[in-house]
Amino acid sequence: DVKVTQSSRYLVKRTGEKVFLECVQDMDHENMFWYRQDPGLGLRLIYFSYDVKMKEKGDIPEGYSVSREKKERFSLILESASTNQTSMYLCASSFWDVSNQPQHFGDGTRLSIL
Amino acid sequence: GENVEQHPSTLSVQEGDSAVIKCTYSDSASNYFPWYKQELGKGPQLIIDIRSNVGEKKDQRIAVTLNKTAKHFSLHITETQPEDSAVYFCAATFGRAGSYQLTFGKGTKLSVIP
Repeated sequence: DVKVTQSSRYLVKRTGEKVFLECVQDMDHENMFWYRQDPGLGLRLIYFSYDVKMKEKGDIPEGYSVSREKKERFSLILESASTNQTSMYLCASSFWDVSNQPQHFGDGTRLSIL
Repeated sequence: GENVEQHPSTLSVQEGDSAVIKCTYSDSASNYFPWYKQELGKGPQLIIDIRSNVGEKKDQRIAVTLNKTAKHFSLHITETQPEDSAVYFCAATFGRAGSYQLTFGKGTKLSVIP
């Protein structure tokens, strides 16, 4: 089975802090994704990466950056956390041809910014 | 970009009845349509998917139908059980080779009443 592991289930940080969310997958997937999930808004794509050191902006990249130094690991960075970034963050991975391959999700990190 | 509309947002059914969730999409080039189930405290899990060269797919109590002309697809759950209670998301692919993304519907909260 595909395993996507997010380093923290719950995280509490303060406004202005730099926050790192980590994600690791064990299926040698080329693509990795970061979403945020908010009630009534569904899943919204923040950033994705289709190769090591490559990244592309999703629908809501403002206030975030990402890092992919190794194929299995994809990090989401909140440069200066703000209260409106309090949310559930989901990481996913898939094989390169997402046109007909499923994304597999981790169990999420619930982040609270105080 | 792609837009995916999902209805209804909430659905209550008696145990043993059927449940139907409907989605429409905007990009006629979309060719892959997965469905995800999200239980409380967990990430979305793929339950069934359909590709554009197929009109219907079934897996035990779950089936998905696709009408490419009308650009809509539906999830059918028969003989519902309490463990089917969850939030269900539909999705559709869009983009270009090497940079495909999934756009998700906003979700349907299904409650199965014993």
